[in-house]
Amino acid sequence: GENVEQHPSTLSVQEGDSAVIKCTYSDSASNYFPWYKQELGKGPQLIIDIRSNVGEKKDQRIAVTLNKTAKHFSLHITETQPEDSAVYFCAAVILTGGGNKLTFGTGTQLKVEL
Amino acid sequence: DAGVIQSPRHEVTEMGQEVTLRCKPISGHNSLFWYRQTMMRGLELLIYFNNNVPIDDSGMPEDRFSAKMPNASFSTLKIQPSEPRDSAVYFCASSSGDGLYGYTFGSGTRLTVV
Repeated sequence: GENVEQHPSTLSVQEGDSAVIKCTYSDSASNYFPWYKQELGKGPQLIIDIRSNVGEKKDQRIAVTLNKTAKHFSLHITETQPEDSAVYFCAAVILTGGGNKLTFGTGTQLKVEL
Repeated sequence: DAGVIQSPRHEVTEMGQEVTLRCKPISGHNSLFWYRQTMMRGLELLIYFNNNVPIDDSGMPEDRFSAKMPNASFSTLKIQPSEPRDSAVYFCASSSGDGLYGYTFGSGTRLTVV
C-alpha cells in the first residue's frame, strides 16, 4: 500500500518568514495530493490540493509543488502569521472513482513566533 | 451545507461499556471514512465505505470495533466492550468518489475510556 513520509515533525519560524514542509510517497500510481491544517480541538481542514497532472499550484500565501519523478511534494507558506500555527498533514491518494482512501503523513507542528 | 456532523463531541465511559459514535456525511458524498487520531499513531484509517458498502476494514483494530452505514446519510462506529486504550479522537470524513470536492472531516468525537 501507499506510504507517506513527512518532514519536519516540528517547525518554528518567525512571523513573516516562509515555512516549507516536505512529503514523499511510495506508490507511483498516486495522483491526488491534498494538504490539511488541523487546529487544536478541530478536525483537519483542506487548505490546498494538487493533482498529478500539475507541477505547482498557488492560493494566496500558500503554494504546493509536486515532483512526480522523485515522488515528493511540498507545502510552502509565505509571510507566515500567528494564525498559521497548527498541525499540517500531507496525504496521497489514488483517485479511481470509487472508494478512494487517503494515506496521511505523520504531521508537522508549525509554530509561528512573534 | 452543514458539513460532516459527528456526535457526540465528547464521550466519557467506563471500561467494558459499549460506545457508539455517529456520523452524518455531506449530502451527495458517496464515500465515508472513519479515522482514529492519537499522539502515538497519528491519523489511522479504520474503515471506509463507498455507496454504503464497506470497502476496506483492514484498519479496524479488533473485533470489538464494528461500523455500519445503513443509508447514505448515516454511519455508526461501535466499540464493544470499550477499553482504556481505545481513548482517542475519532473522525468521520466524507468525499465524492472522484475526489473533485476533496475530503471533508467532521469535528471529531473525543472518547475517554476510564
